[in-house]
Amino acid sequence: RKEVEQDPGPFNVPEGATVAFNCTYSNSASQSFFWYRQDCRKEPKLLMSVYSSGNEDGRFTAQLNRASQYISLLIRDSKLSDSATYLCVVLTNTGNQFYFGTGTSLTVIP
Amino acid sequence: DAGVTQSPTHLIKTRGQHVTLRCSPISGHKSVSWYQQVLGQGPQFIFQYYEKEERGRGNFPDRFSARQFPNYSSELNVNALLLGDSALYLCASSLKAGTNTGELFFGEGSRLTVL
Repeated sequence: RKEVEQDPGPFNVPEGATVAFNCTYSNSASQSFFWYRQDCRKEPKLLMSVYSSGNEDGRFTAQLNRASQYISLLIRDSKLSDSATYLCVVLTNTGNQFYFGTGTSLTVIP
Repeated sequence: DAGVTQSPTHLIKTRGQHVTLRCSPISGHKSVSWYQQVLGQGPQFIFQYYEKEERGRGNFPDRFSARQFPNYSSELNVNALLLGDSALYLCASSLKAGTNTGELFFGEGSRLTVL
C-alpha cells in the first residue's frame, strides 16, 4: 500500500469555481502534513502546511483528520494561475522522510 | 540569494552506464535530500543527508548511492543504468533534518534519459 494516496484527476474547472482535493495516508504515526504545488516541468514548491485545526491562506483552505488519516485542500474562486499539479505530502514520525502523493492535476478553464 | 542548483539539467545515457548528479543547497542549509520523479508520478524519496551523514534511505536498489561534502553539496550516483531509471532527479535542501516546517526547497532537477 502506498504511503500517500491521491486521486490523480485531472480536474478541469471553470474560473471562479470551488474545487476540493483529497488525500489519505497510511502511517498513523506521521507527524506533519503539507500541500505542494508543481507547475508543468518545474520543481515542487510548498503551498501550505496542514494543521489539525484546519488552516486558511487566502482562497486556500487545508484540513486534516487524523482519525481518518485524511487530508484535504479546498480552492475557492479558482484562477487560471491555479492550474498546476497539487501534491499531498506527509512527513514521517522519524522526521527525515517526506512521502509525496502522485499529485492531482488541476486545469482552470477561462 | 541563489536557490538550490543542480547539474546537469539534462543528460542522455545508455543502459549499463553510470551517472553522477550534483546539487548545491541554499547557503546555510545543511540537509540535502534526493528524489526521483517519474513522469506522471509524485517525487519518490531516495536519500537524505545531514551534516555529511546519511539520515534516511528510500526503497531504491544499491545501484543508487550518494554522499554529502563538507560544504554541504551533494552527489547522487547511479550505476548500471536501466531504462526505468529515466526520470527527473530532484534535489531538495532544508535547514536541518526532520524540519517540521515542511519547507523543502527544490532545485529544478536533472532530467535523465536512459536509452
